[in-house]
Amino acid sequence: QSALTQPRSVSGSPGQSVTISCTGTSSDVGAYNYVSWYQQHSGKAPKLMTYDVSKRPSGVPDRFSGSKSGNTASLTISGLQAEDEADYYCCSYAGSYTFIFGGGTKLTVL
Amino acid sequence: EAQLLESGGGLVQPGGSLRLSCAASGFTFTSYAMSWVRQAPGKGLEWVSVISGSGGSTYYADSVKGRFTISRDNSKNTLYLQMNSLRADDTAVYYCAKATGDRVLDYWGQGTLVTVSS
Repeated sequence: QSALTQPRSVSGSPGQSVTISCTGTSSDVGAYNYVSWYQQHSGKAPKLMTYDVSKRPSGVPDRFSGSKSGNTASLTISGLQAEDEADYYCCSYAGSYTFIFGGGTKLTVL
Repeated sequence: EAQLLESGGGLVQPGGSLRLSCAASGFTFTSYAMSWVRQAPGKGLEWVSVISGSGGSTYYADSVKGRFTISRDNSKNTLYLQMNSLRADDTAVYYCAKATGDRVLDYWGQGTLVTVSS
């Protein structure tokens, strides 16, 4: 399976909103409402930010929100803060316990 | 809160073998599937393998099928990844992750680096 497609980079100024897209196929993103998003700061382990498309784990600010339409999922970060600068990865359940990740998006806070 | 601690990484020659371990705590280990995910230097995340809570079902990415074996010892709350016939493109940080509802990897370890080089 090919990786899900994400933009290589996005940027925004503090206080602004940015949206990162994640495009898959009808066999993964489009087939299941099981898309999750991970934040990874340099040299650190990934951290779960949203799951089941739009749910947030305890402790994740509500500035982070997920959505999906067809084969494309999105992560929107509102009220950008300097600490949001990181790499972001989408991940979709692909059936039979398997997962597929996106190529990652580097978020720069200007 | 769940905690995962990987070990066993290191430098290995092409064609060699290595076994990674992941010690789990803070949750009922047998109730959750567990997965390995890797990240090559400067690259993105790649899902590698998953094992059901009982250990009875295992799945692999095509890139490692036939070379890697995932297993678990529920009496020791430990996950393993046996890696054989290692290649240079297996060089990566290997993370273990807990799978909740079999559909989301909600807790990750800090990773262990595997370098395949002569």
